[in-house]
Amino acid sequence: SAVISQKPSRDICQRGTSLTIQCQVDSQVTMMFWYRQQPGQSLTLIATANQGSEATYESGFVIDKFPISRPNLTFSTLTVSNMSPEDSSIYLCSVESAGETQYFGPGTRLLVL
Amino acid sequence: LAKTTQPISMDSYEGQEVNITCSHNNIATNDYITWYQQFPSQGPRFIIQGYKTKVTNEVASLFIPADRKSSTLSLPRVSLSDTAVYYCLVGDGRNYGQNFVFGPGTRLSVLP
Repeated sequence: SAVISQKPSRDICQRGTSLTIQCQVDSQVTMMFWYRQQPGQSLTLIATANQGSEATYESGFVIDKFPISRPNLTFSTLTVSNMSPEDSSIYLCSVESAGETQYFGPGTRLLVL
Repeated sequence: LAKTTQPISMDSYEGQEVNITCSHNNIATNDYITWYQQFPSQGPRFIIQGYKTKVTNEVASLFIPADRKSSTLSLPRVSLSDTAVYYCLVGDGRNYGQNFVFGPGTRLSVLP
């Protein structure tokens, strides 16, 4: 299985600011994904991070709010832009590995004041 | 897009076997069934995956009937540390992220 790290593990931010979350994998992977998990809720897919091209966003998520980079096969970033308290959540990256399986990072806990 | 239905919560006692059933009536031919475990403040952890019949690994078994419209995750002899939320997902790796929709999951509480 892939080993995934995320930075920062948590942060407290002021509204109107932006935060960039990093996701690093210990091996090259084709598919990387970003999820959001609001307190007490299930996970919601934000987008698929495509290496060498623009990310593919799910309904309800847009590039201006959640710009994503994927410069290579082991790294991706998600930026939460112009934050509001409603963006307070856990943000998780995941990768596809070993066929039909996703492996998740530890998550980034974000609190927006 | 296959949709899953699971019990919202379950209680069990230490040492018991726990079976969590997931319904996925409109599962597609290419869909796999995957179960994840999530502890508070952690990312989901892969438990087991299967396509049909029975799959067993060191932590769990997965039973899938011939029609594949449901699946049952079996946890043998649970301990307090198995208290977590368990998610059942069905999806097709060709459209991976879009098809892996997390439902509300089953919150398992293991009591002493």
